[in-house]
Amino acid sequence: EIVLTQSPGTLSLSPGERATLSCRASQSVSSSYLAWYQQKPGQAPRLLIYGASSRATGIPDRFSGSGSGTDFTLTISRLEPEDFAVYYCQQYGSSPLFGGGTKVEIK
Amino acid sequence: QVQLQESGPGLVKPSETLSLTCAVSGYSISSGYYWGWIRQPPGKGLEWIGSIYHSGSTYYNPSLKSRVTISVDTSKNQFSLKLSSVTAADTAVYYCASIYSSSWYRYFDYWGQGTLVTVSS
Repeated sequence: EIVLTQSPGTLSLSPGERATLSCRASQSVSSSYLAWYQQKPGQAPRLLIYGASSRATGIPDRFSGSGSGTDFTLTISRLEPEDFAVYYCQQYGSSPLFGGGTKVEIK
Repeated sequence: QVQLQESGPGLVKPSETLSLTCAVSGYSISSGYYWGWIRQPPGKGLEWIGSIYHSGSTYYNPSLKSRVTISVDTSKNQFSLKLSSVTAADTAVYYCASIYSSSWYRYFDYWGQGTLVTVSS
């Protein structure tokens, strides 16, 4: 059974800083089936990145995804106030699975 | 654009069956696509419950498989979730979502707003 481990659990940064979020799989997963979501309090998750590196429609280019195999990264180049939220990676294999999430909070 | 809306009781008694419906607008379920249910216990992460294709083929989380039934009603353009023998551990916000699936990619693209279901006597 694949496990997705996200780190760090919490990232404390200031607006304008760069955020680097990690998602590590316990075994190799297909990049095509690796996605990232943003969730704000009281809201449903929103798709940010699919296929490990493709931005979803309407997602600003400050969000970027990279990685392959077991190591994937979501980068937010310059944090805007609206980017402070929880981020989840997700792999869509035979049994879709989400990571535990990384909370990006204002420092 | 696809829109989804969950509906159903917000309170269910232990040992009973949780039943939710997801109404889809902006897209005909019978045209294709996969559809899924995801849940999120208060203050915790996301858990996939199961998925269904418009033809009725289903795929369930192995940890919930014995208690889950997902069905689709193309005439009403909606799909449903039933979770039997619920306990307090099933208290969560339940989301329905559409699943984009192609030869290259698969991901949850559109989500409902979610509905909180509390299991309590």
